[in-house]
Amino acid sequence: AQSVTQLDSQVPVFEEAPVELRCNYSSSVSVYLFWYVQYPNQGLQLLLKYLSGSTLVKGINGFEAEFNKSQTSFHLRKPSVHISDTAEYFCAVSERSGGSYIPTFGRGTSLIVHP
Amino acid sequence: GAGVSQSPSNKVTEKGKDVELRCDPISGHTALYWYRQRLGQGLEFLIYFQGNSAPDKSGLPSDRFSAERTGESVSTLTIQRTQQEDSAVYLCASSLELQGYNEQFFGPGTRLTVL
Repeated sequence: AQSVTQLDSQVPVFEEAPVELRCNYSSSVSVYLFWYVQYPNQGLQLLLKYLSGSTLVKGINGFEAEFNKSQTSFHLRKPSVHISDTAEYFCAVSERSGGSYIPTFGRGTSLIVHP
Repeated sequence: GAGVSQSPSNKVTEKGKDVELRCDPISGHTALYWYRQRLGQGLEFLIYFQGNSAPDKSGLPSDRFSAERTGESVSTLTIQRTQQEDSAVYLCASSLELQGYNEQFFGPGTRLTVL
């Protein structure tokens, strides 16, 4: 079975500063990786996903993430955040084959952008 | 097109009562998932439906929880004899099919409060 660890429950940052939200996973098979964002009182929506190919994945709203197989990580980054990026961010992993296709989600990281 | 919708958006009930939560997935999506999100926690998988296959109920926390889906459309999640620990946001998601690489589309959730 796979698992996901988001080490930071909250990340406060000032507007226009860079940010990195950390995600580590464990799985016995190859995986697909996702980042979802949840704005207040809304459902989750996909930011980006890694399926195969280039390990640097670009998503919506200027976010990107890098898949590091050796470190089993998929950290999310943005070079300059806006107030509107304040939200809950969830990392998720699902298995390619021989395992569960149901994504496993991390506990979430609350990004708080201060003016 | 229309996204995933859920009703009601909020539900307050008394301990011991039954509640029914509804989810309308995106048309054409064969896979449908229910998750529970407790305050400050990640998404807890409850159950999924894939086409006409038997649902995977492995995540249901007790026999008070049940769910049904009519074909590839509406799903209802029923909680009988509600307990205070059932208080949470219940999220529904759908995807084109049950494959690990597919993006999930989430509804806004139903916030359940058990008094």
